[in-house]
Amino acid sequence: IQLTQSPSSLSASVGDRVTITCRASQGTNSYLAWYQQKPGKAPKLLIYAASNLQSGVPSRFSGSGSGTDFTLTISSLQPEDFATYYCQQVNSYPYTFGQGTKLEIK
Amino acid sequence: EVQLVESGGGLVKPGGSLRLSCAASGFSFSTYSMNWVRQAPGKGLEWVSSISSGSDYIYYTDSVRGRFTISRDNAKNSLFLQMNSLRAEDTAVYYCARDGSPGPPLDYWGQGTLVTVSS
Repeated sequence: IQLTQSPSSLSASVGDRVTITCRASQGTNSYLAWYQQKPGKAPKLLIYAASNLQSGVPSRFSGSGSGTDFTLTISSLQPEDFATYYCQQVNSYPYTFGQGTKLEIK
Repeated sequence: EVQLVESGGGLVKPGGSLRLSCAASGFSFSTYSMNWVRQAPGKGLEWVSSISSGSDYIYYTDSVRGRFTISRDNAKNSLFLQMNSLRAEDTAVYYCARDGSPGPPLDYWGQGTLVTVSS
């Protein structure tokens, strides 16, 4: 299953609402996760099963979608949210990641 | 506290071998599937391999199948990745990650270990 994220990069300001899209080449049964990665650090799980917020993750992060189209939304950007975001399907092997979306400060 | 600590990375010549280890603590290691994920310098994440809790099910990405072998020792709470016939394109930071599927997948990650394949 191939995952295509859009956009590849995004400039936004603190307080903005941001949406990142992940499109799968075939259905994932909503076994779709989102990760945040900061430079030099391991990825951090944000959302799993398309819309479930991982424990400890701020509620400004949310996920939605089904079938082949999914979105990650950050409702009000905070300074610590500037990072790279990846989607991943865990419906079938080989697990695959999207190419990433780099979120930068405008 | 869940901890995953990778080791074994380093510089190796093309065609050489390396064995990565991941020491797990703070959870019941023997009940979780585990994964290796890598990230080439400046690139995105690439899933490499998975092993089920009892080693019954093992999966690889196509580019490493036949060269890499994932294994685990539940008695020692350890995960391994034996890497043979290494190529320049295997150069990456290698992360081990716990897999809580069908719950939260890849919910804990190690800090990573750098593998550099170069002559």
